[in-house]
Amino acid sequence: GENVEQHPSTLSVQEGDSAVIKCTYSDSASNYFPWYKQELGKGPQLIIDIRSNVGEKKDQRIAVTLNKTAKHFSLHITETQPEDSAVYFCAASDGGSQGNLIFGKGTKLSVKP
Amino acid sequence: GAGVSQSPSNKVTEKGKDVELRCDPISGHTALYWYRQSLGQGLEFLIYFQGNSAPDKSGLPSDRFSAERTGGSVSTLTIQRTQQEDSAVYLCASYPGSGPRFFGPGTRLTVL
Repeated sequence: GENVEQHPSTLSVQEGDSAVIKCTYSDSASNYFPWYKQELGKGPQLIIDIRSNVGEKKDQRIAVTLNKTAKHFSLHITETQPEDSAVYFCAASDGGSQGNLIFGKGTKLSVKP
Repeated sequence: GAGVSQSPSNKVTEKGKDVELRCDPISGHTALYWYRQSLGQGLEFLIYFQGNSAPDKSGLPSDRFSAERTGGSVSTLTIQRTQQEDSAVYLCASYPGSGPRFFGPGTRLTVL
């Protein structure tokens, strides 16, 4: 089955700097890669997703890149703001179990004003 | 429309008691997941329902855990004879069969 590794586990940046979180996956059949943001006491919220037929996707300050050959994908946040502080999870669809998502262990991002 | 809702938001129980956690998915969403999130950890897959297909139960940690989905809508996760290691946040998510999955706010379970 699918295995997703996420790095780093914690990330601290200064306001205005960029933040990058990286994930690798094992199942070459995976075709859907979402990123979720989880604030304290809340459920994860989808912030961006990408499909395997696309190499990059942007939404304002957030972008995701996908390298299918290397089986890794990354989240890029530019011009970080204190409200970006949260735990971020990457996920990959499980090619062996239709519709299932396997999550990374999360990255706690702290943006210091 | 409303998002995914879960109840109760918090549940405190004594070791050995049974608990039921409820998930109301977004109307029309054919697929529903349960995940468990232990303190400071990632999301551990428990079970997945898709339409009328047999559920994928491969993530259930023991036979004390079970789940059902009635009428293709509301789902209940039942934990029998709770143990302290069952303490976690239980998250439910639904989706229409393609595209993003939407999570509920979770139920925080504490087993004393």
